[in-house]
Amino acid sequence: AQKVTQAQTEISVVEKEDVTLDCVYETRDTTYYLFWYKQPPSGELVFLIRRNSFDEQNEISGRYSWNFQKSTSSFNFTITASQVVDSAVYFCALTPSQGNLIFGKGTKLSVKP
Amino acid sequence: SQTIHQWPATLVQPVGSPLSLECTVEGTSNPNLYWYRQAAGRGLQLLFYSVGIGQISSEVPQNLSASRPQDRQFILSSKKLLLSDSGFYLCAWNRGQVENIQYFGAGTRLSVL
Repeated sequence: AQKVTQAQTEISVVEKEDVTLDCVYETRDTTYYLFWYKQPPSGELVFLIRRNSFDEQNEISGRYSWNFQKSTSSFNFTITASQVVDSAVYFCALTPSQGNLIFGKGTKLSVKP
Repeated sequence: SQTIHQWPATLVQPVGSPLSLECTVEGTSNPNLYWYRQAAGRGLQLLFYSVGIGQISSEVPQNLSASRPQDRQFILSSKKLLLSDSGFYLCAWNRGQVENIQYFGAGTRLSVL
């Protein structure tokens, strides 16, 4: 079975705090891809990152960083020095080598000034 | 560059009325196309996907149907709307196995009253 779990339904932080969004996945495939999307209040899903199962290197893009650990089937997302504009719902998703995206239920992040 | 258009942005329809939502992609050919629904406070549910003209796969049996009359056009329809059809509808595209990142449209917010 393929599954993505985002255990944190809502997180609230104060601006400039660091915040980590958790994502745990399940798959029997050896080749798969993991994604993070951001959904701001406007509703459109914005692609943030894709990782394939053979690349466990962590990635940093500005204030965003991602930690992929196959040993724990996790693909966590950290925002450093959060800003009000980071307020959104964040989705983690999985796709096997052949198949469609499987989304987690999302984590709503509220960053307060 | 590629762009995806969805319309209308918002729609209020009475129960029992028909529905037609349209999605078009520009700047690419033979994309895979997807329709998702997001009910209030819930995750994304894949409704239909298409890998080519006239080819539609349904993920969840329900009151809706989809059609792909042209390569870059994807239409979501209903003959008679139900209250439970209310939600946020998102169209997405990707290049399939060439590049499996899905890119989303701005969405249509449908309220059935």
